[in-house]
Amino acid sequence: DAEITQSPRHKITETGRQVTLACHQTWNHNNMFWYRQDLGHGLRLIHYSYGVHDTNKGEVSDGYSVSRSNTEDLPLTLESAASSQTSVYFCASSEEGQGAFETQYFGPGTRLLVL
Amino acid sequence: GQNIDQPTEMTATEGAIVQINCTYQTSGFNGLFWYQQHAGEAPTFLSYNVLDGLEEKGRFSSFLSRSKGYSYLLLKELQMKDSASYLCAVSPLSGNTPLVFGKGTRLSVIA
Repeated sequence: DAEITQSPRHKITETGRQVTLACHQTWNHNNMFWYRQDLGHGLRLIHYSYGVHDTNKGEVSDGYSVSRSNTEDLPLTLESAASSQTSVYFCASSEEGQGAFETQYFGPGTRLLVL
Repeated sequence: GQNIDQPTEMTATEGAIVQINCTYQTSGFNGLFWYQQHAGEAPTFLSYNVLDGLEEKGRFSSFLSRSKGYSYLLLKELQMKDSASYLCAVSPLSGNTPLVFGKGTRLSVIA
């Protein structure tokens, strides 16, 4: 079955370290998204991509970067982890197109703790 | 700007009916989505509305009024397993603009 996976599922790191969270989908979806979810804020968009070599900033992109070298993967990198980046991170994907095609399918999430 | 409002929390009794409202003000409109998210899990797709009216899927129904910028999710015959957060999301009418999510409504179903 096609799916979307994230790794690691849990991560503890120290401030200042570089961290990369992986996202892999086997639906052959063009669109991929990274969100963070914190109490009181809901889902906030970090970065997104509408295809290979395409990346765009979301509302909370500072301190994060992504690159898209193939259809299946969109890794999220925290350049220099800060305690404010402690959160749950969700990756999602959707087909190309408008309307119902924009239905996003989410990975299981990564819980990141920055000490 | 984009703004989506939902109540933060709701409580309802097992077996009852509950309505979760969502109002939106977005730069355009190309459809509205509802997602369910159980604690500690990922959001999962529930429904999509683009035309005015009611879409029914078993115990869950979703309603849309585009002229009022308003939607609701109706849950019937509530079960304990329906305790979750319910997220409203809007697709703005523009090319390549991602969905805008509300902060979600946390529903607690009590016996």
